[in-house]
Amino acid sequence: AQSVTQPDIHITVSEGASLELRCNYSYGATPYLFWYVQSPGQGLQLLLKYFSGDTLVQGIKGFEAEFKRSQSSFNLRKPSVHWSDAAEYFCAVIDGGSQGNLIFGKGTKLSVKP
Amino acid sequence: GAVVSQHPSRVICKSGTSVKIECRSLDFQATTMFWYRQFPKQSLMLMATSNEGSKATYEQGVEKDKFLINHASLTLSTLTVTSAHPEDSSFYICSAESRPYGYTFGSGTRLTVV
Repeated sequence: AQSVTQPDIHITVSEGASLELRCNYSYGATPYLFWYVQSPGQGLQLLLKYFSGDTLVQGIKGFEAEFKRSQSSFNLRKPSVHWSDAAEYFCAVIDGGSQGNLIFGKGTKLSVKP
Repeated sequence: GAVVSQHPSRVICKSGTSVKIECRSLDFQATTMFWYRQFPKQSLMLMATSNEGSKATYEQGVEKDKFLINHASLTLSTLTVTSAHPEDSSFYICSAESRPYGYTFGSGTRLTVV
């Protein structure tokens, strides 16, 4: 069965520092991959997605992610974190065999130190 | 950890009938519940946010009379699709917020209206 693993439950970084959130997936075919962000009390917001083509994907709010098939990874990065980036981040993969249902990782909570 | 039980996982209904989808938090109290909708191979779209004991807040473009949300207790939220039509066929997923667990997703409901 398809699965998504986000190995880091909670990460704390200093404001201005770089960020990388890890995501690994288990999926046989070429996956459709997503990163979402959820701020406290808010719904999910799509940061970026990968379907095909260039493996380095640019998203909103200065985020990017790189699809690495050999490592089954889709890590999210940002060169300089802002205090407003503190939120929970979810990686997700589409289960193509089920007409496109999203499978989520358990999320990584990001805290930002001043 | 936190578990959200969502059912049914799949439902087929006739056009014009109503369908109720339930989300239950099994081992925690969900103060806030989010309802999302996803079309095949597309991203999630937030439909509404509900807080226990109060009216749901609907996103722009979502018909509140068609998608009735009830969050009567801290462990149960329901989404009722009233007078369903084929264009309502979609994948619906709930997400519960509860500290300290963060956000937990249900497994989703595939609705097909025939």
